[in-house]
Amino acid sequence: QQQVKQSPQSLIVQKGGISIINCAYENTAFDYFPWYQQFPGKGPALLIAIRPDVSEKKEGRFTISFNKSAKQFSLHIMDSQPGDSATYFCAASRPNNDMRFGAGTRLTVKP
Amino acid sequence: NAGVTQTPKFRILKIGQSMTLQCTQDMNHNYMYWYRQDPGMGLKLIYYSVGAGITDKGEVPNGYNVSRSTTEDFPLRLELAAPSQTSVYFCASSYPSSNEQFFGPGTRLTVL
Repeated sequence: QQQVKQSPQSLIVQKGGISIINCAYENTAFDYFPWYQQFPGKGPALLIAIRPDVSEKKEGRFTISFNKSAKQFSLHIMDSQPGDSATYFCAASRPNNDMRFGAGTRLTVKP
Repeated sequence: NAGVTQTPKFRILKIGQSMTLQCTQDMNHNYMYWYRQDPGMGLKLIYYSVGAGITDKGEVPNGYNVSRSTTEDFPLRLELAAPSQTSVYFCASSYPSSNEQFFGPGTRLTVL
């Protein structure tokens, strides 16, 4: 079964808008929650990550919000740009680096 | 540093053929991983290795084999290719002390 559930599957946002992608997990053994960005024909690249002892982490226009009790976390992209158009994956990893990925969200930012 | 390199970029196999997907990293990472990516399914872990001589199964290991004789290389072997193995395969690596995984560019495999 999918250990990390991601929504929505696709998202269209106007330039300057806020993009929000949500993920939920089940296994409480996960202790690391990254977001990866993938452009067509390329491998995923780490965008931002959080550990469960923190409720929010911000890096530039990208913010992760983490709710440990609800077992949910989300990615917020502020002031979305056409260059942000890509597929975004959330993931959750156990201490042994066994990582499980969400199904991905294809983001399109319209100019 | 070249990072994580994978060969070949593309390959078409016939059912029942075998092949090895190559993965090399020059970052001296102890941990290496193989994933497959299917449309709408995200990435699924096939096998991973925490160091030379040590490998372990991931989420979807059936139909694959791996070996890790050096820190740099982590080849993935398909013994009897099946259409269900049509996918894009990614290799990744990381330091033991860091969860950040660095991915290669991928190998697109089609089994007909």
